[in-house]
This record gives sequence, C-alpha cells and structure tokens, in this order.
Amino acid sequence: GAVVSQHPSRVICKSGTSVKIECRSLDFQATTMFWYRQFPKQSLMLMATSNEGSKATYEQGVEKDKFLINHASLTLSTLTVTSAHPEDSSFYICSARAEPVREQYFGPGTRLTVT
Amino acid sequence: QKEVEQNSGPLSVPEGAIASLNCTYSDRGSQSFFWYRQYSGKSPELIMSIYSNGDKEDGRFTAQLNKASQYVSLLIRDSQPSDSATYLCAWTRAGGSYIPTFGRGTSLIVHP
Repeated sequence: GAVVSQHPSRVICKSGTSVKIECRSLDFQATTMFWYRQFPKQSLMLMATSNEGSKATYEQGVEKDKFLINHASLTLSTLTVTSAHPEDSSFYICSARAEPVREQYFGPGTRLTVT
Repeated sequence: QKEVEQNSGPLSVPEGAIASLNCTYSDRGSQSFFWYRQYSGKSPELIMSIYSNGDKEDGRFTAQLNKASQYVSLLIRDSQPSDSATYLCAWTRAGGSYIPTFGRGTSLIVHP
C-alpha cells in the first residue's frame, strides 16, 4: 500500500518552454501533497504544500507564477514549470499523505533537464 | 529557529556491524519523527516513524526517541552493503498541517 507514482520520470526540455509533472497516489486518497526539489548532493527543499481543491501554499522564495501547482483531485497533483531555465534543472519529487495518518510517501521523482 | 541537525558523514561501518545514526532537533513542539532512506539518484523511502519516547523496532531497524534531550536516532543491526545510502530524519509539529522538516541527511557506507 501507499504507492505514489510520478510521470514523467525524466524529461528534457528547451529553455523557455513549460513542463508538467504529474503525481498520483495509486492506492489511497491524498489529502495533502508536497512538492520538493533536490539539487545534487543537497537536501530536499520543500517547494509547496497542496490540499485537494484549494490553492497551494508556497515556501518562501518559491515563485508561484513559475511553479504552478494544481491539486485537482484526491489522487492527482500536477506541477508545471513555466518558462523553464537551465537553473530549473533538478530532481523534482512529490509526496502524498492521507490525514490523519502522519506518514508521507514519496513518488519516484522526475529528473528535469533544461537545455 | 526550527531545525533538524544531522551529521552529514559519511559514516563508514563494516558489514555486520551496528550503524548508529543520530538527529537532534530544536523545536520542543515536535511530535512525530520519521526516518527515510534515500539511495543515490532515487527518492526517499520511509523506514520508520516514531511518536513516543523510547524504542521502536522493525526488523533490523530500531528508532529511538528522547524528547527531553531532543534527539532521535536510528540503529541498523547487521549492516549490509545494500544499506549504503543517505538517511534523512524528519519531524512534524503537533497540530496545523503537519508540514515536515527534513535534516540534510547522513551518508552511510557499509563496506564488505
């Protein structure tokens, strides 16, 4: 149980284009989903928290107009990186939690390369 | 400042030994604690969660929580080379949206 999927697992895009990453909870309903970014040899950085049907809460320093998050249902959240730049190249990981359960489960991650 | 402190390592132990990973936290409001394992290039995987003072065992893993001293640790018995990974501790505060805070992780190397 508690399986989270992400798609795509790897994507290469050109600078200036937009990329959408999907995060799905496969066997539970996720009341909360989190989006993280991780640069090589660095820790997880929380970008935003999203609850189904409401606007995402972004961490300080994360541009909400650049990283669009939609949590349309209890099993799906999407992250769209708009007008991507090479510095956006990173490992993007989502996680999901079904409250009142406290544990969160991570998706396998999406490696984004912007050329 | 609410932080989780972890020694980045690497911690190197021989195969079969006990690996001890530690994490200290600064917020006395912390309530739930988690250990995740992350292999290179992969996403974190939940190993253990612990909420009460004391020990919690699951197979070769034992989590220990001491709220008075504000530390949480993970012991890995009979360490295997496949345990070589980065171990992240995390905590959430009581109430609110339980947004987790992660430590920077400790790199563990188990050598044959």
